[in-house]
Amino acid sequence: DAKTTQPNSMESNEEEPVHLPCNHSTISGTDYIHWYRQLPSQGPEYVIHGLTSNVNNRMASLAIAEDRKSSTLILHRATLRDAAVYYCILRGGRGAQKLVFGQGTRLTINP
Amino acid sequence: DAGVIQSPRHEVTEMGQEVTLRCKPISGHNSLFWYRQTMMRGLELLIYFNNNVPIDDSGMPEDRFSAKMPNASFSTLKIQPSEPRDSAVYFCASRPDRGGLFFGEGSRLTVL
Repeated sequence: DAKTTQPNSMESNEEEPVHLPCNHSTISGTDYIHWYRQLPSQGPEYVIHGLTSNVNNRMASLAIAEDRKSSTLILHRATLRDAAVYYCILRGGRGAQKLVFGQGTRLTINP
Repeated sequence: DAGVIQSPRHEVTEMGQEVTLRCKPISGHNSLFWYRQTMMRGLELLIYFNNNVPIDDSGMPEDRFSAKMPNASFSTLKIQPSEPRDSAVYFCASRPDRGGLFFGEGSRLTVL
């Protein structure tokens, strides 16, 4: 499985944008980039995923570098409820089911 | 939609006892995953099923662990005999044909 690298922790302030980086220099052409988050005492929660183009949904935006060796999860206006561990994961193309979680980035939001 | 349902939410047992964790996936999802989470090792994939068939069990720690999916709406993860190092939160997740995984709230297992 291709590996991802994320900072162990990040801190931001409430109502400000947050940019969570992820490096995946060994990504293959068919790997999708997935982001999940885990709030305290809960199971992981799907956030967003993409292949090549930038993606937006109600939770966040995903910006993917042109060479696909890195990506950034963008929370446009952080709230205290966004404090969680955020995981960046690569998943192979259609038919590849495994999602292997790394250590993720622990995001702290200051009031 | 009730989401992925796991039971029990908490289990405390003594070493050597059999433990059975249960999972009801979201209706219509054709893949099911069992993960284990500890502080030391993070989230580990134990096994996953596709259309009720085990596809990859390479993450199952040892023969004491077994998982079954007798039908599309039910799966079990069994540990026999249990050991203190099995203490962890066990998550079940299901996935439709396309899209992300939906996780349950987890079963917290403590083996004394």
